[in-house]
Amino acid sequence: KQEVTQIPAALSVPEGENLVLNCSFTDSAIYNLQWFRQDPGKGLTSLLLIQSSQREQTSGRLNASLDKSSGRSTLYIAASQPGDSATYLCAVNPYNQGGKLIFGQGTELSVKP
Amino acid sequence: DAGVTQSPTHLIKTRGQQVTLRCSPISGHKSVSWYQQVLGQGPQFIFQYYEKEERGRGNFPDRFSARQFPNYSSELNVNALLLGDSALYLCASSPRGLGQPQHFGDGTRLSIL
Repeated sequence: KQEVTQIPAALSVPEGENLVLNCSFTDSAIYNLQWFRQDPGKGLTSLLLIQSSQREQTSGRLNASLDKSSGRSTLYIAASQPGDSATYLCAVNPYNQGGKLIFGQGTELSVKP
Repeated sequence: DAGVTQSPTHLIKTRGQQVTLRCSPISGHKSVSWYQQVLGQGPQFIFQYYEKEERGRGNFPDRFSARQFPNYSSELNVNALLLGDSALYLCASSPRGLGQPQHFGDGTRLSIL
């Protein structure tokens, strides 16, 4: 059974710091892994999607990596800003389960001015 | 282009009532999925529909049902509401669903009194 874990559950950093969020999954049979951002009371905003054949994806200050063999992904945020404060969720799309996403619990990030 | 739209944004019901939530996917997207997100947790998969057919079902009781219409919009129905059904209900769409990025709406906040 696929399980997705995100550590830490919460993180507080000063503005300008570079940071890494972690995501691990138990079954490497996935189509892709997707990182989302969620602001309080809002829906999910897709940040990056990494296909199973890829190692990383970049968008602006964000870089996501995928190591399928070890069941790990990281989201790197460079030069953090207070506007980056949100909950970050990772989700995997397992093989043979259609488009179903399995989510981690999320990491709540707070960037202090 | 309009994103995924969900209605209503907020809903208050009492135990035992029934509720219908609505979702319009991004134009051209034929797959719609529904997720339940309880406060402090990651979203949990409820259903996926593609071309009006159910493609997947999560571990939810039969009180939960859904359907997809010829225009690819979708409804989620929940009967005999329980206090534990209080959550944010999210809808996601993608062109075909399988191995593709999922785009989420802002959700419907359902509160059960």
